[in-house]
Amino acid sequence: ETGVTQSPTHLIKTRGQQVTLRCSSQSGHNTVSWYQQALGQGPQFIFQYYREEENGRGNFPPRFSGLQFPNYSSELNVNALELDDSALYLCASSFRGGSTDTQYFGPGTRLTVL
Amino acid sequence: GDSVTQMEGPVTLSEEAFLTINCTYTATGYPSLFWYVQYPGEGLQLLLKATKADDKGSNKGFEATYRKETTSFHLEKGSVQVSDSAVYFCALSDLISNFGNEKLTFGTGTRLTIIP
Repeated sequence: ETGVTQSPTHLIKTRGQQVTLRCSSQSGHNTVSWYQQALGQGPQFIFQYYREEENGRGNFPPRFSGLQFPNYSSELNVNALELDDSALYLCASSFRGGSTDTQYFGPGTRLTVL
Repeated sequence: GDSVTQMEGPVTLSEEAFLTINCTYTATGYPSLFWYVQYPGEGLQLLLKATKADDKGSNKGFEATYRKETTSFHLEKGSVQVSDSAVYFCALSDLISNFGNEKLTFGTGTRLTIIP
């Protein structure tokens, strides 16, 4: 069974640029959630994708957007980067439709905005 | 909205000591409760979970019991090892309104260091 993978591992961008982060879900999973973890904090929910549609969003502005593909992989896009976007971005996959939708996390992408 | 309050860290213990990390929650419904662990430079790993009141989750010597009456899910281990050094996050599953699916709401994390 393949776990959740994310790419790239690390990324450095400058303020105002755009970034795309990628996530491949665990085999058998159909739902992907994205979280932002600032240094020293717990992860904060950004949004969730199911059947290629956004199914709920946390308190993040529209410049955070995403996609889910037919193979259930996902992208997180952030436009007009700000310094406060520097964080670890975590992707989690789960199976919606079973008795439990426990989320399993990838290793994360560390984004630094200069 | 739902929230999780976690014991402030950092926590430093000697090897073989008894560990308790406190976690309490506020929720309108009956969420599932989780403990995740984060080792340095890594993502989150699911440590254990409990889906209903009085359930006990356990894994790798760690245990936590879902206490509805005290809205708590404290993490315990009888004898910690140096390899247990990590950051521990308590979390609950929280319904995403209008969609019926769930997201996770996390506490702020507790950094645990075990000294040989």
